[in-house]
Amino acid sequence: GESVGLHLPTLSVQEGDNSIINCAYSNSASDYFIWYKQESGKGPQFIIDIRSNMDKRQGQRVTVLLNKTVKHLSLQIAATQPGDSAVYFCAENNNAGNMLTFGGGTRLMVKP
Amino acid sequence: NAGVTQTPKFQVLKTGQSMTLQCAQDMNHEYMSWYRQDPGMGLRLIHYSVGAGITDQGEVPNGYNVSRSTTEDFPLRLLSAAPSQTSVYFCASSYNRADTQYFGPGTRLTVL
Repeated sequence: GESVGLHLPTLSVQEGDNSIINCAYSNSASDYFIWYKQESGKGPQFIIDIRSNMDKRQGQRVTVLLNKTVKHLSLQIAATQPGDSAVYFCAENNNAGNMLTFGGGTRLMVKP
Repeated sequence: NAGVTQTPKFQVLKTGQSMTLQCAQDMNHEYMSWYRQDPGMGLRLIHYSVGAGITDQGEVPNGYNVSRSTTEDFPLRLLSAAPSQTSVYFCASSYNRADTQYFGPGTRLTVL
């Protein structure tokens, strides 16, 4: 069936380096994508979103890239900090917009 | 605004017991939803509501009931708890079903 998934379950980066977290989706009709950050013991927190009519969207230290040709989504974090350590989920909104489908998550570990 | 609140934070039940997980939001959001999160997995949608008096099933609805008598509240009921329902439960809300969802802090439920 249609699904959203992630390539890497764990990503370890050095403090100050840039991080790239990837996500593949299979529903070509999805038109809205969201990245969430989840710290231990907390609920998912919205980071950034992008609609299918865009290829790139930037926030504060974060950039989301959408490649609709290969159905790939990525989250780039610039100058990664210890506070960025968390699990990151990508999610897609389906055609009807009733359900948010989540990927399995990638754990980002920042080494000092 | 308190945002999305959930009670209790932790709960231990015996098999066969019933209980209600509470969720409330003060943002006047129409759309509310319940997810469960199991270790190593993403969030899976249990039930959702697009407005007061309207509820619908998500991906994993079996064993759970919901109601939406007011815009603010969206309780999740377990009629007869089973060990398979041991999980962390998150409530989320958004302005409408196509908008970004905001999550509560979660309820950690253990069924013995």
